[in-house]
Amino acid sequence: EVQLVQSGAEVKKPGESLKISCKGSGYIFTNYWIGWVRQMPGKGLEWMGIIFPDDSDTRYSPSFQGQVTMSADKSTNTAYLQWSSLKASDSAIYYCAKTPLTTVTTNFDYWGQGTLVTVSS
Amino acid sequence: MVVTQSPDTLSVSPGERATLSCRTSQTVGTYFAWYQQKPGQAPRLLIYDVSTRAAGIPGRFSGSGSGTEFTLTISNLQSEDFAVYYCQQYNKWPPAFGPGTKVDVK
Repeated sequence: EVQLVQSGAEVKKPGESLKISCKGSGYIFTNYWIGWVRQMPGKGLEWMGIIFPDDSDTRYSPSFQGQVTMSADKSTNTAYLQWSSLKASDSAIYYCAKTPLTTVTTNFDYWGQGTLVTVSS
Repeated sequence: MVVTQSPDTLSVSPGERATLSCRTSQTVGTYFAWYQQKPGQAPRLLIYDVSTRAAGIPGRFSGSGSGTEFTLTISNLQSEDFAVYYCQQYNKWPPAFGPGTKVDVK
């Protein structure tokens, strides 16, 4: 069974750093891209970027380029999303999701449960 | 690339048909998907490549369209179908979701 299990909710202060994780199982982790999607409170889905765990090839949406960093550790089947200096506007649920194909532009067939990030002073 | 959905909210009675629309500002070929999201849950892939149902998705969900206009039809709406539905194009970079259509009980 394909599963993406994300790390737990985080409460941080503005300016702090954060790294959240997404661990894949039930499939060959290095064969498919892992994407990240933001959902701000009460809002829709925003496509942030995507990483290919085998070689860490990473593509960011222009809206998120420079704002976050995606990485992956294929030895532990885990993808990461990190911030170096959080802002209140980073408060959201962040989902990881895998692609069904090896192409970078595709849909997401399995999703993690989401990680709630709250940034407040 | 702009992706729009209509209506914002669709009120439907159980057993009826719901028709949701999505429009893209550029043609996207067959690179188009629909997702369902229920409160407190992650999105779930319903339809990909315009009209192919994802694994385990009931036959009452169907997708159609081409070019810049796409439709998700839910026939014989069940209680578990009341949710928010998002469309996504994945032809142009970056892939993008629409703003969502909420299907609620009439």
